Amino acid sequence: AQSVTQLDSHVSVSEGTPVLLRCNYSSSYSPSLFWYVQHPNKGLQLLLKYTSAATLVKGINGFEAEFKKSETSFHLTKPSAHMSDAAEYFCVVSEGTPLVFGKGTRLSVIA
Amino acid sequence: ETGVTQSPTHLIKTRGQQVTLRCSSQSGHNTVSWYQQALGQGPQFIFQYYREEENGRGNFPPRFSGLQFPNYSSELNVNALELDDSALYLCASSLGPLVAGGSTDTQYFGPGTRLTVL
Repeated sequence: AQSVTQLDSHVSVSEGTPVLLRCNYSSSYSPSLFWYVQHPNKGLQLLLKYTSAATLVKGINGFEAEFKKSETSFHLTKPSAHMSDAAEYFCVVSEGTPLVFGKGTRLSVIA
Repeated sequence: ETGVTQSPTHLIKTRGQQVTLRCSSQSGHNTVSWYQQALGQGPQFIFQYYREEENGRGNFPPRFSGLQFPNYSSELNVNALELDDSALYLCASSLGPLVAGGSTDTQYFGPGTRLTVL
């Protein structure tokens, strides 16, 4: 069965500095991997999706993630944080099966 | 905006009561999935409906049930509410159903319904 581990429950960065949110996954097959963002009292918004076409996936708002099969990782990065990036981020895995969410990483951006 | 809407936004019920939550999917999306998100946790899969039939269920008891209608609307019904049912309930629409071992269509989420059980 697939699973996801988000390695940090909370990450704090200064505005304008890089963002790194770490995610490791476990999967028996070729997984689909997603990153979703959730702003307070809002639903989930898709940031990006990996489906084996390319290992480096570009998403919305300057985010990107790299699929590394040897490390079973799918870390989310952004070169320069903006105040509006403060939110909860979820790494998600699926093998054509129900989405399995990580516990989330709360990103704080300090002015 | 995902084009997925949910109603109501907030709801307060007492233990033992029944509740119906509603979702309107994106036009053309034949699949709707429901999730429960407890405070401080990631969403948990409840079940999925594809073309008005249940297509997979997570680890939730039968008092959680659903309906999907041809007009892209759907319902989540919860009977005999318990205190632990307090959560944010999210629906998500997608083009195709889940098929084990296959690729996964992107799911587009609504804003959720916050249910409080007293």
